[in-house]
Amino acid sequence: QVQLVESGGGVVQPGTSLRLSCAASGFTFSSFGMHWIRQVPGKGLEWVAMITYEGSKKYYVDSVQGRFSISRDNAEKTLYLQINSPRSEDTAFYYCARESSPWGGVTLGDGFDLWGPGTMVIVS
Amino acid sequence: DIQLTQFPSSLSASVGDRITITCRASQSIDKYVSWYQQKPGKAPNLLINGASTLQSGVPSRFSGGQSGAEFTLTISDLQPGDFATYHCQQTYTRWTFGQGTKVEI
Repeated sequence: QVQLVESGGGVVQPGTSLRLSCAASGFTFSSFGMHWIRQVPGKGLEWVAMITYEGSKKYYVDSVQGRFSISRDNAEKTLYLQINSPRSEDTAFYYCARESSPWGGVTLGDGFDLWGPGTMVIVS
Repeated sequence: DIQLTQFPSSLSASVGDRITITCRASQSIDKYVSWYQQKPGKAPNLLINGASTLQSGVPSRFSGGQSGAEFTLTISDLQPGDFATYHCQQTYTRWTFGQGTKVEI
């Protein structure tokens, strides 16, 4: 079954750390760029971070640059998001998502065609 | 950074109506806009990419349009399952979402 499943969310104190995981199955994980997107309940979507299919390039939204770190283990088919020094404004649902087309980069993409159900992070 | 302005933020409609949601980009982004549908408590679902390419399984009453840097999502013959929140996204360079449009009965 083609799916993504996030884990690792919960309540975290400001200034500590948390690592989110996203387990992939049913497709060739190592061929696709992967993203983290977050959503404050009742609000819009905010793209957070992206890692290319082979892990060589990483991109972040300005508000998390230097605090969040995206990584992947293609052998384990798992995507990660390390959240350091979380702030109250990082409280949100966090989704992982797959690029629609394989081997994509930072430009000219085709959207995200597979999403996980999300995991909630509460910074308090 | 490329900004997307999506409007309206919400709208009320009835079953059978035709509605249009608009997304305006802060600069030219060619055809690189995708549209998503999100229902309460669920992850977004990709409906359209490349401004007008319908994803497999998406009903033909959904359509995407473009005029310059302005993009539209039109739903004709609104069905009960279409009441949801819709998001636009640009993928021309990096990734940005619009603010979302909640379609209510």
